[in-house]
Amino acid sequence: AQSVTQLGSHVSVSEGALVLLRCNYSSSVPPYLFWYVQYPNQGLQLLLKYTTGATLVKGINGFEAEFKKSETSFHLTKPSAHMSDAAEYFCAVSASHSGYALNFGKGTSLLVTP
Amino acid sequence: EAGVTQFPSHSVIEKGQTVTLRCDPISGHDNLYWYRRVMGKEIKFLLHFVKESKQDESGMPNNRFLAERTGGTYSTLKVQPAELEDSGVYFCASSQTDGGGAFFGQGTRLTVV
Repeated sequence: AQSVTQLGSHVSVSEGALVLLRCNYSSSVPPYLFWYVQYPNQGLQLLLKYTTGATLVKGINGFEAEFKKSETSFHLTKPSAHMSDAAEYFCAVSASHSGYALNFGKGTSLLVTP
Repeated sequence: EAGVTQFPSHSVIEKGQTVTLRCDPISGHDNLYWYRRVMGKEIKFLLHFVKESKQDESGMPNNRFLAERTGGTYSTLKVQPAELEDSGVYFCASSQTDGGGAFFGQGTRLTVV
């Protein structure tokens, strides 16, 4: 079985500050890990993914995440928040044995203040 | 290239009625998934098609839900009869076979009153 825990349902940062959204996973097999973002009134957009290889992955809009097996974590970061980053962010895990169906965390709403 | 398209974007129906949601995946994507987000809860997997075959329907809530994928192209999700607890946002996603992530539609917001 696979699961994801996102710490903090709401995170608030100032514009220009570091963004850190936490994600811990549980998986009995090597995981595939994802971050998706949902802007208001839109669908889910893939931000970045880790499947194999380099553990530090870069995504769109300046976001990156690092797969840390020892900590079972896949935290999302961005050095400097922009107002347009305000959205809901979802961490997800999948595996080949389950047809790559995604198991999502509960989501974290990011608020960016001026 | 068109993305994943879902129809309708919103639907409000009365308890006991029937509703059919449609999803058009990205052309060439054999995998098609349905997910649902009930208000305040996480996004939950419903089922997975590979082409026209149901690969995994372990997430379907009950037998009031019926999904089909005609000819391995578009898919429909029918709820009959709808209950209040079926309200939520239904997402469809499609992907290739490499596990590199799925592309999502904008979702259908279903409200059962």
